Amino acid sequence: AQTVTQSQPEMSVQEAETVTLSCTYDTSESDYYLFWYKQPPSRQMILVIRQEAYKQQNATENRFSVNFQKAAKSFSLKISDSQLGDAAMYFCAYRSAFAGNQFYFGTGTSLTVIP
Amino acid sequence: GAVVSQHPSRVICKSGTSVKIECRSLDFQATTMFWYRQFPKQSLMLMATSNEGSKATYEQGVEKDKFLINHASLTLSTLTVTSAHPEDSSFYICSAADRGSSYEQYFGPGTRLTVT
Repeated sequence: AQTVTQSQPEMSVQEAETVTLSCTYDTSESDYYLFWYKQPPSRQMILVIRQEAYKQQNATENRFSVNFQKAAKSFSLKISDSQLGDAAMYFCAYRSAFAGNQFYFGTGTSLTVIP
Repeated sequence: GAVVSQHPSRVICKSGTSVKIECRSLDFQATTMFWYRQFPKQSLMLMATSNEGSKATYEQGVEKDKFLINHASLTLSTLTVTSAHPEDSSFYICSAADRGSSYEQYFGPGTRLTVT
């Protein structure tokens, strides 16, 4: 089975600074997707960014970017110019590229943004 | 964008009673829906995979007779917690796979269940 590991239970960042959240995963599949989800206190899962494994180029979404190292099975999230609204729990997730497959989630990283 | 709703958003029930949670895809057809459970400050754990028109597939350790799942249509899956006990109190989240969009998945807003 696939496993996703987030080794940072908690992180903090000063407002306007940059922070990187780490994620590693284990899989024997060659085709898959990786995601970062944000879960604010409302508990709604919000997609931050996704990466297709077959793409070498790292995905970016405005202030959010990833460093995808397929050989190392590493998928870190960089948040630039951190804002107070970025404070939340962040989950790294893996999903097979096959139709209708479930997510495998990491244990999450709680991000605090310091004003 | 694709929207998934859950109803109710929060429910309180007495121990021994049953409670039903609905998960609906509002603007797409979902042949597959997933039910997750999340305890406070923990990650989402998959409980079962629900396929339209067939029996759900439960993860190891999940009691299928306690957590009844029905996926009667392409837009609705229900999770019924039978004979609920306080330890069933949790946050339940569904996700739905959009067959018209390469099975992209979308999460519902979750249901907070409290059993007293």
